[in-house]
Amino acid sequence: GAVVSQHPSRVICKSGTSVKIECRSLDFQATTMFWYRQFPKQSLMLMATSNEGSKATYEQGVEKDKFLINHASLTLSTLTVTSAHPEDSSFYICSVRGGLDTQYFGPGTRLTVL
Amino acid sequence: KQEVTQIPAALSVPEGENLVLNCSFTDSAIYNLQWFRQDPGKGLTSLLLIQSSQREQTSGRLNASLDKSSGRSTLYIAASQPGDSATYLCAVRPLQGGSEKLVFGKGTKLTVNP
Repeated sequence: GAVVSQHPSRVICKSGTSVKIECRSLDFQATTMFWYRQFPKQSLMLMATSNEGSKATYEQGVEKDKFLINHASLTLSTLTVTSAHPEDSSFYICSVRGGLDTQYFGPGTRLTVL
Repeated sequence: KQEVTQIPAALSVPEGENLVLNCSFTDSAIYNLQWFRQDPGKGLTSLLLIQSSQREQTSGRLNASLDKSSGRSTLYIAASQPGDSATYLCAVRPLQGGSEKLVFGKGTKLTVNP
């Protein structure tokens, strides 16, 4: 399967700052990537679908102006959490659409907003 | 709205025991169902994918069944090992709108004691 990396793996920031998370497909051309969020003891929830070269599609209830997604190449999608607040603290995971209805997941990024 | 429930939330067993993890979903209109493994602070590893037309899939010591009409799936792990300790997630891909969105359960945290 595809190898997907995320950077950083952990980030701690002050309230009000912006944080950028990178998702890279290392060996697979990813026309579509997905961003998920997982709160403690909760399910993974899809935030948005990122398509290379076009605007992302956001799930209901996810603020597109707060969670900026850029998918400028077939190997990189970025998620920027703007003006982060403590309630944005979560585990953010990206995935890459592969063949045979599969998604290959990255290792995740733990965001803590103080 | 599709909802996925996993029971039990946590399970602790001695090494060598066979075990069953349960997953139920509220809407039988699904494209497929997947079982994933998640290690602490890590991303997801796909274990088994069952298409809606299939009844079960097997991989090594793992066997997953699907009863779409009753909205249930089980993951059977034979001869459990300490290395099987992880959180197991069940996810369905709903049929509506051609979406690739996955709807996840909260997971079952499995601990296999040596």
